[in-house]
Formats: sequence, C-alpha cells, structure tokens
Amino acid sequence: RKEVEQDPGPFNVPEGATVAFNCTYSNSASQSFFWYRQDCRKEPKLLMSVYSSGNEDGRFTAQLNRASQYISLLIRDSKLSDSATYLCVVNQAGTALIFGKGTTLSVSS
Amino acid sequence: DTGVSQDPRHKITKRGQNVTFRCDPISEHNRLYWYRQTLGQGPEFLTYFQNEAQLEKSRLLSDRFSAERPKGSFSTLEIQRTEQGDSAMYLCASSIRGELFFGEGSRLTVL
Repeated sequence: RKEVEQDPGPFNVPEGATVAFNCTYSNSASQSFFWYRQDCRKEPKLLMSVYSSGNEDGRFTAQLNRASQYISLLIRDSKLSDSATYLCVVNQAGTALIFGKGTTLSVSS
Repeated sequence: DTGVSQDPRHKITKRGQNVTFRCDPISEHNRLYWYRQTLGQGPEFLTYFQNEAQLEKSRLLSDRFSAERPKGSFSTLEIQRTEQGDSAMYLCASSIRGELFFGEGSRLTVL
C-alpha cells in the first residue's frame, strides 16, 4: 500500500462547480498534512495546511479525519485558474514530506 | 531573486555518464530536500539535510546517487553511471518551518 494515495482524475468540471478531492494515508503516526498545487511544467507550491479542526481559505476548505486516515480538499465556485494538479502531502515529525501522485483538475468555461 | 535556484535547468547526457546538479536554497532555510518527479507522478522523496547533516535517505536512492551539503548552504546531487530510468525532473526544496519552497527543477534526459 502506498503511503499517500489520491484519485489521479482527471476531474473535468465547468466554471462555478464545486469539486472535492480525497486522499488517504497509511501511516497512523503522521502528524502534518498539506495540500500543494502544481501547475503544468511548474514546481509545486503550498496551497494550504490541513488542521485537525478543518480549515478554510476563501473558496478552499480542507478537512482531516485522523480515525479514517483521510484528508479532503473542497473547491467551491471553480475558476479557470484553478486548473492544476493538487498534491496531498503528509509527514511525521522530523521526517520528510511524502507526496501523493496528485489529482488533476481541469476547469472549463 | 531570493528563491530556491537550481542548476542546470536542463541536462541531456548519454547512458553511463555522471551528472551533478546544484541547489542553492533560500538563505535562512536550514532544511534542504531533494525530490524526483516523473510525468504523471507526484514528487518522490530522495533525501534531506538539516544544515550539513544528511538526516534521511530514501530507499529509492541507490548507490549511484550521492548528495552533499558541505557547509550547510548549497547542495549537490550526483548521479553516477546514469541509466535511462534516471530521466526525470530533480526538484530541490528548502524550508525553515514546515512549508517547502521548491526550485524550478533540473530536468535530466538520459539517452
């Protein structure tokens, strides 16, 4: 079983749609969780951290379920500029961040 | 530009040759990471340093791969006797408190 698993998609949605991405992780000792965004042919960049209580940043909402070892990212009111690959990232204290394969989102007009 | 810089951006080499990549992290960042990424995959962890100490190495990092960060500033990643399977984007990232800041990567093509 891979450490971090994501549905690779692609997710093709119209502008204005709500889309949700899921991610599961295998190591129950994982402590920190993130979503990174990677545009085509660019380097990954931090989108948001994921906190136990869930957190929101504008149109983006991240949730963590430690019991199920599951992380989600919800994007509301999708924009064309949201088209990218979304990477789920997990780590334990003092170890390197482990990336999932990424989920590709394509938003069309 | 005070971001993470990597050199060279592109490298084409023949199988069996050695290649070296350099990464200059953001100056105050004490942690430096190397990842490898191939098409359709997320970045795969290779190794990381805290200051000059190499704290963790992935099992992906075969004996042909070696990384150094001699003075706790820039780092080099050397691949000896390259194979076609080494073709990938090699990403360097630095951090000080959690968030990784990536460079634009060094793309390796092994013919």
